[in-house]
Amino acid sequence: TQLLEQSPQFLSIQEGENLTVYCNSSSVFSSLQWYRQEPGEGPVLLVTVVTGGEVKKLKRLTFQFGDARKDSSLHITAAQPGDTGLYLCAGYSTLTFGKGTMLLVSP
Amino acid sequence: AAGVIQSPRHLIKEKRETATLKCYPIPRHDTVYWYQQGPGQDPQFLISFYEKMQSDKGSIPDRFSAQQFSDYHSELNMSSLELGDSALYFCASSSWIRGETQYFGPGTRLLVL
Repeated sequence: TQLLEQSPQFLSIQEGENLTVYCNSSSVFSSLQWYRQEPGEGPVLLVTVVTGGEVKKLKRLTFQFGDARKDSSLHITAAQPGDTGLYLCAGYSTLTFGKGTMLLVSP
Repeated sequence: AAGVIQSPRHLIKEKRETATLKCYPIPRHDTVYWYQQGPGQDPQFLISFYEKMQSDKGSIPDRFSAQQFSDYHSELNMSSLELGDSALYFCASSSWIRGETQYFGPGTRLLVL
C-alpha cells in the first residue's frame, strides 16, 4: 500500500503570509496530483506533476515534484482568504490520498 | 467545460434500507472511480471501472456493488445500510488517453438514520 503523509495537518496564517505544505511517501509515484477541497464539495484538481524535479506555477501557487518522485511541496505566496481549504495530495494510480492540510487564512 | 455529475446530491435513508448513487463522467472519459469520505477523513477509494469492466477494487464493503453502463455512467448500489455508511460519496472520472488525471464530482451526501 502506498502511503502519503502530509504536513502540517493544520495551518492558520494571516493574509499576505507565505506558506509551504509537504507531501511525502516512501513509494515512487508515476504522477502526483494536488487538490483543494472546500467543506461538502468535491476535491478540485489544482495540478498534476509527472516528471521528477518538475516545478509548476498556478498564479500564487508553486508546486514541486521531488527528483525521486516520492515527495511534493506546495508553496503559496501572499495567501488570501480565498485560499482557505483542505489541500490534498494524491498519488496515482488509484489515488491514495494524504490526510490533507487544512489551511485557514484570516483577513 | 462539462464536469462530473452526481445524483442525488443529498440522500437520507434509514438503517437496513438500500440506496443507489449515480455518476455521469465527463464526456469521453472512459474510467470512473468511487470514493467514500467520512467526516474529517480523506477520501477512501472504493472501486473503479474502465470501459465498463471493474478495473480495481479498494475498501468497498460486500454490501455495496457498482457497475458502469454502456453510456459510461456508473451506479453505486448500497444495501443493508448502516449508520457508519453516512458519508460523502464522490465519483471521479478520467480518460486513459488524456493521462488519467481524475476529476471529481460534487459528491452525494448520504445520511443514514
